[in-house]
Amino acid sequence: EVQILETGGGLVKPGGSLRLSCATSGFNFNDYFMNWVRQAPGKGLEWIAQIKNKNYNYATYYAESLEGRVTISRDDSKSSVYLQLSSLRAEDTAIYYCTRSPYYGYNYPHYFDYWGQGVMVTVSS
Amino acid sequence: NIVMTQSPKSMSRSVGDRVTMNCKASQNVYNYIVWYQQKPGQSPKLLIYYASNRYNGVPDRFTGSGYGTDFTLTINSVQAEDAAFYYCQRLYNSPYTFGPGTKLELK
Repeated sequence: EVQILETGGGLVKPGGSLRLSCATSGFNFNDYFMNWVRQAPGKGLEWIAQIKNKNYNYATYYAESLEGRVTISRDDSKSSVYLQLSSLRAEDTAIYYCTRSPYYGYNYPHYFDYWGQGVMVTVSS
Repeated sequence: NIVMTQSPKSMSRSVGDRVTMNCKASQNVYNYIVWYQQKPGQSPKLLIYYASNRYNGVPDRFTGSGYGTDFTLTINSVQAEDAAFYYCQRLYNSPYTFGPGTKLELK
């Protein structure tokens, strides 16, 4: 059974930093691209970041709105992906979801098929 | 960057109705469109990929169509459990932008 579990959320002061973790199991992690998507309270979905796998040299991609403040990384030995957030602002308050993307040998994700339950990040003084 | 829009923003329908919602891309995205369903308090669920392919286990009352810039999600004979937000997303290359969503309420 595919499992995706995000941890590391919580309350952080403006200007602070946070590292979110996403532990996965039940599938061959090495064969998937991984993503972070967030959802502010009462708002829609916002794609934040993607990291491809070893076949694509762990290439990373970021939403322009967050570039420079966010870093995605992965540890294939732990089947885990991480999101480092810095210079946090009130507008970064959101549920952060970790999702996987199969790519079936192509250089792009086909869809986001499994999602974690999300972790809440609240930025407030 | 390609901008995704969805219409209507919300709709209210009765059980058994045929529901149609739209997703529009500001540039040609070919068929690299995915649809998700999200119910309150839950993570999004994949419904449709490559604009018209139903994902595993998705009821056949859900149908996707379209190509290029205009896409449609149709729910035939909508059920009470279909009340949710529906989001389209463009894939293929970054950024993998989501549309703002359509809220479907059941009367």
